[in-house]
Order: sequence, then C-alpha cells, then structure tokens
Amino acid sequence: DTEVTQTPKHLVMGMTNKKSLKCEQHMGHRAMYWYKQKAKKPPELMFVYSYEKLSINESVPSRFSPECPNSSLLNLHLHALQPEDSALYLCASSQDLRVEAFFGQGTRLTVV
Amino acid sequence: GQNIDQPTEMTATEGAIVQINCTYQTSGFNGLFWYQQHAGEAPTFLSYNVLDGLEEKGRFSSFLSRSKGYSYLLLKELQMKDSASYLCAVPQSNSGNTPLVFGKGTRLSVIA
Repeated sequence: DTEVTQTPKHLVMGMTNKKSLKCEQHMGHRAMYWYKQKAKKPPELMFVYSYEKLSINESVPSRFSPECPNSSLLNLHLHALQPEDSALYLCASSQDLRVEAFFGQGTRLTVV
Repeated sequence: GQNIDQPTEMTATEGAIVQINCTYQTSGFNGLFWYQQHAGEAPTFLSYNVLDGLEEKGRFSSFLSRSKGYSYLLLKELQMKDSASYLCAVPQSNSGNTPLVFGKGTRLSVIA
C-alpha cells in the first residue's frame, strides 16, 4: 500500500461551520504533513507531525487545528473559516529525508 | 531558509526535449526533489538528487550541481500528457524528518 488517502475529496462549508479533513496512510511513515495550495501556486506547508507530535506550525491561524490520533491518521479541524481559506488541502507523509514524500489527492475546500 | 527559483511557464512541441531549470539557495543542503503536478491533482515524485551529476530515469533525467546551487529536469520525447506543473523542492532543514519547501513551479505546455 503506497497510498495516502484523504477524505472528503470536496467540501463546501459556511463561515460558521465546523468540519474536519481526514488523512490516512499505512506505509509506516512517521512524518505527516498538511499543505495548502491555492490555484497556480505551489503547496505551502501548514503543519508537520513527527512521531505523532506536532513539530512544525507555520504560523497558521487558530481556526485550523491539526490532530494526530495515531501514527496512521492525521486530521485537520476547521472552524470559522474565511472565504480566502478556500484552497486545495494536501496531506503528505514520508519515512525520512532520503525518500520521497507521498501526497494524497487532496481535499478541495470552498468556504462560502 | 530556502530560496528557490524556476521559470513560471514553458511551451514545447510533442516529441521534443525540454529542460526545466531550478536554482536554489539553502542554509544547509540535503538533496533536491522534482515533483510533477497535473492540474487539480496531487504532486507525484519524479526524482531525488543529493550528489552532483545526472540521474536518468526513462524519459526523465535530473541534474544537480551543488557548487552552483543549480538543478535541471530534462524531459525527452515529450508527450501531451507531460503538460503539467513541475515543482523543484528542497527539505526545509538538513536534519530529521523535515518537510519540503517548494519552488513556485514551472507550468509546461506540450503542443502538437
């Protein structure tokens, strides 16, 4: 299994809603990441979990809250988002620096 | 920190060869990655260079010069399906499980 699975694929939410994005991998990778990607821009790092502990938070607003329940799962909880938060949210995982990071297909989020 | 530069757009003809350049400045170096991303899809790994020289993998090759802070991705026998963004990326730091920092990407259009 060399897949990173993200759900849902598409999400439309209002500015007062609470929703969660989910990511799962069964490759035994110990690092998992959330990236945000706007149209025609490269992925921008949001959070890094290493061995189930948050190791990097790239000054992301508190309306985004990550959670790593176990080594295979990564969630991103969303609350009170703004329309400018609409983007493709990508999850990735890797074993270490010397091999590639595997990306999920992403969740396309629209905030209305 | 990292500073990564690559051309924004390129156009090439089906069957031709195209070279996509990437220059980088890093505080420490632990390899350079190339990813391909089709519109609306996740990035997929193409290559990893940590030593100087050319790495060939089928129609795709990647070159690295650490002294010049320079890499290129060479695509041969171009096909229409090669139309995509090509992202140059380096790890954020040179220790531990650290995430990739992406360049802005080069959008390649292959025309008949």
